[in-house]
Amino acid sequence: DSGVTQTPKHLITATGQRVTLRCSPRSGDLSVYWYQQSLDQGLQFLIQYYNGEERAKGNILERFSAQQFPDLHSELNLSSLELGDSALYFCASREGEGASRNSPLHFGNGTRLTVT
Amino acid sequence: GQNIDQPTEMTATEGAIVQINCTYQTSGFNGLFWYQQHAGEAPTFLSYNVLDGLEEKGRFSSFLSRSKGYSYLLLKELQMKDSASYLCAVRLYSGNTPLVFGKGTRLSVIA
Repeated sequence: DSGVTQTPKHLITATGQRVTLRCSPRSGDLSVYWYQQSLDQGLQFLIQYYNGEERAKGNILERFSAQQFPDLHSELNLSSLELGDSALYFCASREGEGASRNSPLHFGNGTRLTVT
Repeated sequence: GQNIDQPTEMTATEGAIVQINCTYQTSGFNGLFWYQQHAGEAPTFLSYNVLDGLEEKGRFSSFLSRSKGYSYLLLKELQMKDSASYLCAVRLYSGNTPLVFGKGTRLSVIA
């Protein structure tokens, strides 16, 4: 168990809808990262938050947004869903700025999103 | 763009040794990570290299050559439970920065 909690585990919804994925990082971790994993593309970095502030942005669509709250949990919002958004969405966390360079990302078990 | 290449699939026999290669061409380099991921599960951390050479951790070893942009993961005494995807990832910059992942190598261990 990595200590990173993601809910829900599975989500089935229709095209055009909006969903929210939730992540609680490991205790003490300040950084949260969101990744999308589809069959063909592997793990694609979406966005990173550090202590409530957006820190880095990857290949995140404009229909997607995220935030990190004062208690450090994070939410990823996906709107106007398309069939191609079906994927596993992973959240990962890491210690703060003082982390040693070999400190890895710790991943949650993911949310499997199916858009029908 | 960032380029991290790994073979898509490999098959090896229980008890054998297998080497999974990873080559990278990235705009920065601040360490290379290997993760294991069983189907439908979370990636779990295996190893980290930032300096050239071999890092050994039980049945798993990882090697890095920065000048060649090359790493490999060596798995010894293969077990059926080692059947999984192995992901190579590069941290581009120092500090709290994201990892860039390759597409992963799906390893099947057969009896």
